[in-house]
Amino acid sequence: QKEVEQDPGPLSVPEGAIVSLNCTYSNSAFQYFMWYRQYSRKGPELLMYTYSSGNKEDGRFTAQVDKSSKYISLFIRDSQPSDSATYLCASRGNGNKLVFGAGTILRVKS
Amino acid sequence: DTEVTQTPKHLVMGMTNKKSLKCEQHMGHRAMYWYKQKAKKPPELMFVYSYEKLSINESVPSRFSPECPNSSLLNLHLHALQPEDSALYLCASRPVLRGNTEAFFGQGTRLTVV
Repeated sequence: QKEVEQDPGPLSVPEGAIVSLNCTYSNSAFQYFMWYRQYSRKGPELLMYTYSSGNKEDGRFTAQVDKSSKYISLFIRDSQPSDSATYLCASRGNGNKLVFGAGTILRVKS
Repeated sequence: DTEVTQTPKHLVMGMTNKKSLKCEQHMGHRAMYWYKQKAKKPPELMFVYSYEKLSINESVPSRFSPECPNSSLLNLHLHALQPEDSALYLCASRPVLRGNTEAFFGQGTRLTVV
């Protein structure tokens, strides 16, 4: 079993839709949870960072972590064609090792 | 300055060549990473340096040799690579002490081994 599971998609939505991206993890030691956005042939860009459980909002993006169910979510409101990218969830314990999910390909159609 | 700078952006090398990838950051981050990413796959951890000392080596073949000469620089020396080593090589850095952010990535070096 992979430590971080993520559906690779692709997920296709119309412009303006609310997008829900999800991951599950198995390692109870994970405390730090990240979402990265990666455009084709570019490096991953840190979108959201959450420590432990709870919600964090930044503009159109909301990250949620539920440690009791080991579930990580990213919501994108009013999605735009420019949001089309691969979204990677990642987790880390107290050490240095970041563990990535497989990445979900998102396509927002205008 | 919130950048991780990688050079070169593209590299083509033969299987007998020796080359180096370079990574630089000036954010004061004391953990630096090398990742390898194949097309349509997530980044795969290769090495982690913490306070300029190698802390994680994910059983990477010896044809890849990392070096961390100081707290701002990270190198990856390449020798006798195989065509299957062609990939996007990503560098990242992270503040080790608890802070309000996580790892930043560079734009990567796209490596082609011929």
